[in-house]
Amino acid sequence: GQNIDQPTEMTATEGAIVQINCTYQTSGFNGLFWYQQHAGEAPTFLSYNVLDGLEEKGRFSSFLSRSKGYSYLLLKELQMKDSASYLCAVRDSNYQLIWGAGTKLIIKP
Amino acid sequence: GAVVSQHPSWVICKSGTSVKIECRSLDFQATTMFWYRQFPKQSLMLMATSNEGSKATYEQGVEKDKFLINHASLTLSTLTVTSAHPEDSSFYICSAKGTGETEAFFGQGTRLTVV
Repeated sequence: GQNIDQPTEMTATEGAIVQINCTYQTSGFNGLFWYQQHAGEAPTFLSYNVLDGLEEKGRFSSFLSRSKGYSYLLLKELQMKDSASYLCAVRDSNYQLIWGAGTKLIIKP
Repeated sequence: GAVVSQHPSWVICKSGTSVKIECRSLDFQATTMFWYRQFPKQSLMLMATSNEGSKATYEQGVEKDKFLINHASLTLSTLTVTSAHPEDSSFYICSAKGTGETEAFFGQGTRLTVV
């Protein structure tokens, strides 16, 4: 079966760095997405990786290793507004998005 | 990024009535639209995928007669929850993708409460 694993919840301190991991087992791979979702709102796109390596976009970076079925989202200089759920999603061979359950990130002052 | 507008943002309806939710792509042609359902503290669950001008493809376990999807134009898809019951209360989200595009853009979501 297809499976996306990410931690349920993480806590970090304002100004610090946090890494949210995602491992996946899917039938085929056509890219991995990270989304941010604040409570009661729809997800917003953060990053897309289809090749191995690190993609940096401001305070957020995303890494992919296809051979390991592994990705992480790195958030630097954490701000209180970064408190949200972070969803990892993989596009499989049928171009369907398989979603992880999301990681709730709690930022403390 | 492209803009997808979903309406209404929230709706309360009586049990047994039907509710229509609209999803519009405002500045691009959405050849594919996705409808998701999300329960509290859970991830998105894909309900159906619709391509403009053709019937929607429903995921296993989703009742097509209860959740009617229409994608009649390249900018509009609608989801109608027929004969709604309290267990249909949920957060419904649409996303839209243009031809050849990598990313699908999300609407704001609709919180449906059936009383």
